[in-house]
Amino acid sequence: DGGITQSPKYLFRKEGQNVTLSCEQNLNHDAMYWYRQDPGQGLRLIYYSQIVNDFQKGDIAEGYSVSREKKESFPLTVTSAQKNPTAFYLCASIGGQGLDGYTFGSGTRLTVV
Amino acid sequence: GIQVEQSPPDLILQEGANSTLRCNFSDSVNNLQWFHQNPWGQLINLFYIPSGTKQNGRLSATTVATERYSLLYISSSQTTDSGVYFCAVSPNAGNNRKLIWGLGTSLAVNP
Repeated sequence: DGGITQSPKYLFRKEGQNVTLSCEQNLNHDAMYWYRQDPGQGLRLIYYSQIVNDFQKGDIAEGYSVSREKKESFPLTVTSAQKNPTAFYLCASIGGQGLDGYTFGSGTRLTVV
Repeated sequence: GIQVEQSPPDLILQEGANSTLRCNFSDSVNNLQWFHQNPWGQLINLFYIPSGTKQNGRLSATTVATERYSLLYISSSQTTDSGVYFCAVSPNAGNNRKLIWGLGTSLAVNP
C-alpha cells in the first residue's frame, strides 16, 4: 500500500546534538512538507519542497535543515541551533495538480533530554 | 497574514449526538481543508472544500467563501470520532498548497 513512513516514532536528543528525522513516500508525490506541532497548537510549516533538488523555508525554518535528493525522500535535520526542539514532527505530501489528497505520516515525537 | 479561528476549542459529546464545528478565516482563500487528528497523532484529510458543500458518510462540510467561514457537521457521533479537528487554508495570494492551520477543535465522544 502507498503511504508515507516517518521514522523513528520517538527520538531523544541531547543538548547540542543534531538529529535527522526520516520521511519516505511511495505515492509518487511531487510536493513534500515538514510541520511542527506543539501541544494544543496547530501545525506550523518548517520547510517544503515542490520538486527534487528544490526546497523553500516555511514559517519556522530557523534551526532546521532539509534535503530533497530523491523524489521519495525528504529528511529533516534538527540542528543544535534549534533552541526548543521538543515537539511532534509531521511529514506530508501531495501529488498531481489537485489541492486535495494531502497524506500525512504518523509523526516523530522528539524530546530533548 | 491570514488568521484562522476555530470554535469551539473543546467539545464533549455523548455517542449518537450531532455537532457543528466552525472555522472562520480573515481573508479570501483558494484552498480550505478539514483534517482529523486521532488520539495517536495520525492526521487524515477529510474534505477539500474552498466553497460549497460536500458529504462523506456521517460527515459533511459547507464553506461560504463570501462570508469567510466553513462548517463541519458530524452526525450520529461515535467514539472513533474523538480527536482534534483542524481547519487549514491557503490565502488567495501565494502558494495555494501552503496551508495555514487553525488551533483545532478537540472532540471527545463518550460511550
